[in-house]
Amino acid sequence: SHELTQPPSVSVSPGQTARITCSGDALLKQYVYWYQQKPGQAPVLLIYKDTERPSGIPERFSGSTSGTTITLTITGVQAEDEADYYCQSGDSSGFYTVFGGGTKVTVL
Amino acid sequence: QITLKESGPTLVKPTQTLTLTCTFSGFSLSTSGVGVGWIRQPPGKALEWLALTYWDDDQRYSPSLKSRLTITKDTSKDQVVLTMTNMDPLDTATYYCAHIRVRHYDSNGRSSSFDYWGQGTLVTVSS
Repeated sequence: SHELTQPPSVSVSPGQTARITCSGDALLKQYVYWYQQKPGQAPVLLIYKDTERPSGIPERFSGSTSGTTITLTITGVQAEDEADYYCQSGDSSGFYTVFGGGTKVTVL
Repeated sequence: QITLKESGPTLVKPTQTLTLTCTFSGFSLSTSGVGVGWIRQPPGKALEWLALTYWDDDQRYSPSLKSRLTITKDTSKDQVVLTMTNMDPLDTATYYCAHIRVRHYDSNGRSSSFDYWGQGTLVTVSS
């Protein structure tokens, strides 16, 4: 089981906005990190500390917070954004690392 | 440029011990705020964190696998080794090692991201 809950799938048309949520009680105290994983590839860090974007990550990827739910938003989705997305954080103790169950984004 | 690469057997038998080595370059595990972690992914399934080691010898294990895992670091060789005992077919997965960067410290602990990942190595457990 995962302490972080994500929707299994999100479908979006090109140019539209995709929102992927990550929920968990620990998120009131822990930061969330987001990763993108394309088939056959290793994950890539997209967002750190809830809302920060590493250098080289397109601006269409953004993060926001609201209580125990953290949201990854992809604005102006492109075909290349079709991938699995995972959130990661600490557990309620802050000692262990946990991943969400992942969300498959399909670009229609 | 930071790179990591996993190496080890691609096939192990049930009950055997798996030993994986992560060889990295572009950073030192002696540097404050840095670590290396192991994550696995069964075919078609989600990522699962296994273990990590920090620059200051702080080591942490997934509670569900703690009794089977050991992580060690060799700073002089730029390597981190993960051993997993009593392998089972359910342990079949791609195993990744990743560079860790501690992003925040407070009373809630260390908050870290996996900034760079190896390509992963598929380990199959079968007799």
